[in-house]
Amino acid sequence: EPEVTQTPSHQVTQMGQEVILRCVPISNHLYFYWYRQILGQKVEFLVSFYNNEISEKSEIFDDQFSVERPDGSNFTLKIRSTKLEDSAMYFCASKGTRFFQETQYFGPGTRLLVL
Amino acid sequence: GQQVMQIPQYQHVQEGEDFTTYCNSSTTLSNIQWYKQRPGGHPVFLIQLVKSGEVKKQKRLTFQFGEAKKNSSLHITATQTTDVGTYFCAVNFNKFYFGSGTKLNVKP
Repeated sequence: EPEVTQTPSHQVTQMGQEVILRCVPISNHLYFYWYRQILGQKVEFLVSFYNNEISEKSEIFDDQFSVERPDGSNFTLKIRSTKLEDSAMYFCASKGTRFFQETQYFGPGTRLLVL
Repeated sequence: GQQVMQIPQYQHVQEGEDFTTYCNSSTTLSNIQWYKQRPGGHPVFLIQLVKSGEVKKQKRLTFQFGEAKKNSSLHITATQTTDVGTYFCAVNFNKFYFGSGTKLNVKP
């Protein structure tokens, strides 16, 4: 069964450093998402991406964040200057179509720890 | 922003007991989705409800969408230890909003 993959599984970084989280969505999917989940809390929407541009973004997704689809398979989330409060699990998700009925498939996540 | 409230936050049950989690919105929803997240895992889609008053079943899980499409529930009959995890509802207002989740613990 096709699945979303994410690398790395864990990332430890120093405050102020840049990090890039990588995702490989399911191959025929068109819509891509990033979410974060602070330990023990709910899943929070960050951004949706379609046709090489951002469709929607949340208040969390400020100028420190950016997304990119550098090639036909990868989808990346960059945090330019990490803060302590960026420590969280980051999930990538993809779905095939724009229709609400289409389910999102989540990747296993990258656990980011900012020291 | 759009909010969906989910209760209870935690539920501890004895294996074999039933479990229910509820989601409520102040806004009429076009659809609602339910996800399960095992400890240390990622959200896994369970089901989507679209129609007013819709009821769907998956084995021991029963999902309901309110008549006014402002609330939804997930009911598990005769819980098993494999049901342990956090259950989230999620709604789509162009952005996806997840409820705060109900963490279910099942004691054998």
